[in-house]
Amino acid sequence: GAGVSQSPSNKVTEKGKDVELRCDPISGHTALYWYRQRLGQGLEFLIYFQGNSAPDKSGLPSDRFSAERTGESVSTLTIQRTQQEDSAVYLCASSFPLAGGGEQFFGPGTRLTVL
Amino acid sequence: SQKIEQNSEALNIQEGKTATLTCNYTNYSPAYLQWYRQDPGRGPVFLLLIRENEKEKRKERLKVTFDTTLKQSLFHITASQPADSATYLCALRVGRGSTLGRLYFGRGTQLTVWP
Repeated sequence: GAGVSQSPSNKVTEKGKDVELRCDPISGHTALYWYRQRLGQGLEFLIYFQGNSAPDKSGLPSDRFSAERTGESVSTLTIQRTQQEDSAVYLCASSFPLAGGGEQFFGPGTRLTVL
Repeated sequence: SQKIEQNSEALNIQEGKTATLTCNYTNYSPAYLQWYRQDPGRGPVFLLLIRENEKEKRKERLKVTFDTTLKQSLFHITASQPADSATYLCALRVGRGSTLGRLYFGRGTQLTVWP
């Protein structure tokens, strides 16, 4: 498809389990971002990938969170030993590679519920 | 510390009036300022971008101003319609040059346009 896709759209898990969320960016977008949005709250930056540069991990809330990106395509966000406070919508976005404002294209999000 | 503040969490206006949303920031020197719209259960959608050396940008019924001295952007929707009801987010990009860097998002203003 033409847009950013994310899977799964919904994930329910038990506390303590690991989860893996997937993002497929728009083809040609070398910049990829992960955000977390708790119910009724703003976007919380998690991590940013730009081409082959080292990712900006400054937003990851704890070492239970990690993300990888394969080349300039798919990215996975992994949350280990999930906690109830991890429940949120996780949004992925991608951008064109060069300066020009960096308009971000967002996916529909993955709604994570930790029981 | 760095802050992005958007006026009042909620704004209610009558159809046909002009909605004005405010984004104030401190301790940033953004190269670009962007506005996004977010509907419930969806990812944000890019609306407009304005550069640090631009004062005003227009797109159909939308107008954005950017005052780097006041550290403020105003987002106007003229002839508002109930379909404009959504949460509007402002975002700053401070990176310059060929690398994008991350966006810093405000918490958003929920706009409701009533008939």
